[in-house]
Amino acid sequence: AQSVTQPDIHITVSEGASLELRCNYSYGATPYLFWYVQSPGQGLQLLLKYFSGDTLVQGIKGFEAEFKRSQSSFNLRKPSVHWSDAAEYFCAVTFGAGGTSYGKLTFGQGTILTVHP
Amino acid sequence: DADVTQTPRNRITKTGKRIMLECSQTKGHDRMYWYRQDPGLGLRLIYYSFDVKDINKGEISDGYSVSRQAQAKFSLSLESAIPNQTALYFCATSDLPPSLAGGDNEQFFGPGTRLTVL
Repeated sequence: AQSVTQPDIHITVSEGASLELRCNYSYGATPYLFWYVQSPGQGLQLLLKYFSGDTLVQGIKGFEAEFKRSQSSFNLRKPSVHWSDAAEYFCAVTFGAGGTSYGKLTFGQGTILTVHP
Repeated sequence: DADVTQTPRNRITKTGKRIMLECSQTKGHDRMYWYRQDPGLGLRLIYYSFDVKDINKGEISDGYSVSRQAQAKFSLSLESAIPNQTALYFCATSDLPPSLAGGDNEQFFGPGTRLTVL
């Protein structure tokens, strides 16, 4: 079965510092990868997604992510964090046709980001 | 107006009560999902429906049931609520999955329902 691991439960950075949130997925085939953000008391908002083409994808709010097939990773980055980026971030994956996971998203456990002024 | 709405937004109930959470969408998507979110566990799939006549169990369906009343409506029921069903519940919708007409299975989420079972 497919799975997604976000190794960091909680990350704290200073405002203006760079950020990298890690995401690793299991299972092969062709992954379709997503990063969602959940601000306190809010639903989930899509930051960016990857399903083909350039392995470096740009998203909203200045975020980017790089797909590395050899490492089964899809890490999220931002060069300079703002206080408003404090939230919980979720990585998710689904796969192409075939298999029981087709068309369903599997989420990681989430990473809580705290931003210090 | 929001594309995916959930009612109620907050609910406190007692053990043994029957509870229904409702989800409506205006995105015209065939696919709808129910998740629960618990701290440290991310989102886990309870049930999903790929069209009105297609209902499937997710990874944690025990204690839950669903009804797909129309393309736009998907309800989640707790027949006899218990305290470990206290969680944040999300409804989501999606378009076609990967490999079909260029879909990518991006899911669009409602605002969530916070359910507390005492």
